[in-house]
Amino acid sequence: GENVEQHPSTLSVQEGDSAVIKCTYSDSASNYFPWYKQELGKRPQLIIDIRSNVGEKKDQRIAVTLNKTAKHFSLHITETQPEDSAVYFCAAPVAAGNKLTFGGGTRVLVKP
Amino acid sequence: DTAVSQTPKYLVTQMGNDKSIKCEQNLGHDTMYWYKQDSKKFLKIMFSYNNKELIINETVPNRFSPKSPDKAHLNLHINSLELGDSAVYFCASSQQFTGSQPQHFGDGTRLSIL
Repeated sequence: GENVEQHPSTLSVQEGDSAVIKCTYSDSASNYFPWYKQELGKRPQLIIDIRSNVGEKKDQRIAVTLNKTAKHFSLHITETQPEDSAVYFCAAPVAAGNKLTFGGGTRVLVKP
Repeated sequence: DTAVSQTPKYLVTQMGNDKSIKCEQNLGHDTMYWYKQDSKKFLKIMFSYNNKELIINETVPNRFSPKSPDKAHLNLHINSLELGDSAVYFCASSQQFTGSQPQHFGDGTRLSIL
């Protein structure tokens, strides 16, 4: 199938703690894994992405890890801040790599 | 300069009406998309155009008709609007027609059907 499953659907963390969101995909040919952040009432924006030839990528407080064997990838946010509160979407290309399919989203709430 | 701009931002209309949403990108990208985001925040692709040619047409009612006059523009016309069409519609673009490139989203059009 053409599935990208994302967990958890909601995540509440205390400011300063870490947040981890996990996605699994079904198409073994998928080779690109972006993460988008959507603040309330705004558009989804790319925050980090990883390609299949790399196992981990970091950008300041966010990182993405990829396990191609297990077909899952995760977003890690360290030292969370209130402005990290948003809905986060993972995505992966399916159907011969031409269609980006999004996970169901994770609503992250960072409590001060 | 807004990279992907769509108009209008809000659209409130009655059931049965016909409406259009316009999208323009100034990034020089070849590929443009329409997504529907429902109240549960699911982002579902509706259509994709590559250089004015329709490439992806998901199982969308034929009341929805996209049109791409050139590769910088992608419009969406909706006939006979129904209550279930209420959603936020996002336009997006990417450099090429491949799922392996970043997509840039517009600010969305919030469609409310009364």
